[in-house]
Amino acid sequence: SQQGEEDPQALSIQEGENATMNCSYKTSINNLQWYRQNSGRGLVHLILIRSNEREKHSGRLRVTLDTSKKSSSLLITASRAADTASYFCATLVATGGFKTIFGAGTRLFVKA
Amino acid sequence: GAVVSQHPSRVICKSGTSVKIECRSLDFQATTMFWYRQFPKKSLMLMATSNEGSKATYEQGVEKDKFLINHASLTLSTLTVTSAHPEDSSFYICSARDRGSKGEQYFGPGTRLTVT
Repeated sequence: SQQGEEDPQALSIQEGENATMNCSYKTSINNLQWYRQNSGRGLVHLILIRSNEREKHSGRLRVTLDTSKKSSSLLITASRAADTASYFCATLVATGGFKTIFGAGTRLFVKA
Repeated sequence: GAVVSQHPSRVICKSGTSVKIECRSLDFQATTMFWYRQFPKKSLMLMATSNEGSKATYEQGVEKDKFLINHASLTLSTLTVTSAHPEDSSFYICSARDRGSKGEQYFGPGTRLTVT
């Protein structure tokens, strides 16, 4: 099962521009995390935001969480070609035990 | 940091054979492990949750007799794809939850299964 959709499904930008990805989810959550995945590789954990937090920063990453709208956004500032990857949000839900459910993902392509 | 390993990283097998994938937590104990499946250019889909010493809980639509999960110890879970078919070809990723106080979840590097 998946929690919800990510928007956009694919995003192509120039190096130096900002990239914004959105994620919506369906059920109540304990926390929301963002992961990056290079093609055919494993997941890289980027950032975790708890349900009682509204915004969090980590380097060039900024994550917001709006629990009333059940949505989150990931902003990557001053993008680099190396940021080219798929980005997934994942929510920790407590149905039938705690488990992490992934969104559909956004494929980001940063052109040099 | 906590490390989860998977073995093998890649496997090619013939239709009708069974394949076993191992998932190990290397420096922590995991009472709960998770198995995900990912098709090309798609997201990770949770297949099942395994708890040490008990039967796995499968997500809706996942055949438990086809995807056998064993979680025999606090550091090892295995996924066996039985009677594999080409449509089982996929990227399988495991995850382990640290039984420590924070209960953080760590992901393995994945196993690429190709069934010919």
